[in-house]
Parts: sequence; structure tokens; C-alpha cells
Amino acid sequence: EVQLVQSGAEVKKPGESLKISCKGSGYSFTSYWIGWVRQMPGKGLEWMGIIYPGDSDTIYSPSFQGQVTISADKSISTAYLQWSSLKASDTAMYYCARREGNSKVDFWGQGTLVTVSS
Amino acid sequence: MLTQPHSVSESPGKTVTISCTRSSGSIASNYVQWYQQRPGSAPTTVIYEDKQRPSGVPDRFSGSIDSSSNSASLTISGLKTEDEADYYCQSYDSTNQGVFGGGTKLTVL
Repeated sequence: EVQLVQSGAEVKKPGESLKISCKGSGYSFTSYWIGWVRQMPGKGLEWMGIIYPGDSDTIYSPSFQGQVTISADKSISTAYLQWSSLKASDTAMYYCARREGNSKVDFWGQGTLVTVSS
Repeated sequence: MLTQPHSVSESPGKTVTISCTRSSGSIASNYVQWYQQRPGSAPTTVIYEDKQRPSGVPDRFSGSIDSSSNSASLTISGLKTEDEADYYCQSYDSTNQGVFGGGTKLTVL
């Protein structure tokens, strides 16, 4: 059974760093892309970027380039999304999702709620 | 770049269609996916690659594209109250960046 299991909710202060994770199981982790999606409170879905764990090829959405870092450790089938200095505006739910090839997004993680507040 | 109606509503048993209009570039140039998001839950995929249904998604859900209107559509027939959710279309732009529509709230009343 394919599963994407994300790390738990986080509460951070502005300026702090954070790394959240998405662990894949039940499939060949290096053969599928993992994308990250932001959903701010009460708002829609936003595409942040995507990584191919097989070779770490990473493509960022222009809105998120330089704001976050996407990485993966294929030895433990885990993808990451990290911030070096959080802002209150980073408060959101973050989802990872698996993509097959160039288009088919088929499985989603359960989401990680990040709250940034002083 | 992908525009959806903010909300639609229809009665149980009826059919509803949600549109997704691409503002630049051809709708046919990149596949369109559709996601369902119930309140408090993660999104799930109901249509991928314009019209394909993942296993487990009922055939009441169907997808199509129309090049003349440069839009994609999600049609749900035999509406059930459990279909009440937000629906998002998603595709890729000319630089292969993922992009979502703004989402459509479906009310089944």
C-alpha cells in the first residue's frame, strides 16, 4: 500500500528554522516525484515545488524560489521542506504529494500544520 | 492562469459540472488533474491526465477538456451529499511549473 506520512504539527516563532518531512512507503521512492503544496488558512492550494529523489532534480515555483528548500534522502525514502527563517505568513498546512511522470499526482500525505507566532 | 467558479450548488441525484479555464496557453498542452478536498482533510485525486480515474473513484466522476473554450471540466453525476467538498483543477504552465485553480466549493443541497 502506497503511503506518504508527514511529520507532526509544529509551532515556531518568527525567525526560527524548521524542516518538515514526508516519508514514502509501499513503492519505489526513487522512481516518483514528490511535490509540496501550501494551503494557507481558509485559502486554496498553491504549488511550491517538486523533487525527484532518484537524482535530486528540484524545480521550484517562482513564488517560493529562495524562500524554502526542498530536499530528499533516498536512503530513508523521505523528502523534506525547510525554512531558514520563518515568518508569520508561513503559517499554513503543507502537503506532500507523489507524482508519476510529468503529470499524474496520485497520492497525498496527511498534511503538516505549521504555525508561526510570537 | 486557471480560473474556476467560486461555488456551485446542486441537488442530490443531479449532475453538476465544474469548469477550469486556462488563460494563457492551450488547455491541451498539459494534462489537467482534479482534486477533491473535504473539510479538514487532505486533498485526494479524482481525475488525472484530463479524464483518467484513479482506482476507487466512482465512475460518477468524469473529466474532459474543450479546446474551443480552452477549458477543462469535472462532471459529477448522481450527486451524493458526500460529494460536498472543494474541488481544485491543476495543470502545468509553459515552464512545467505546477499551477492550481482557485478552487470551487460544491454544495449538495
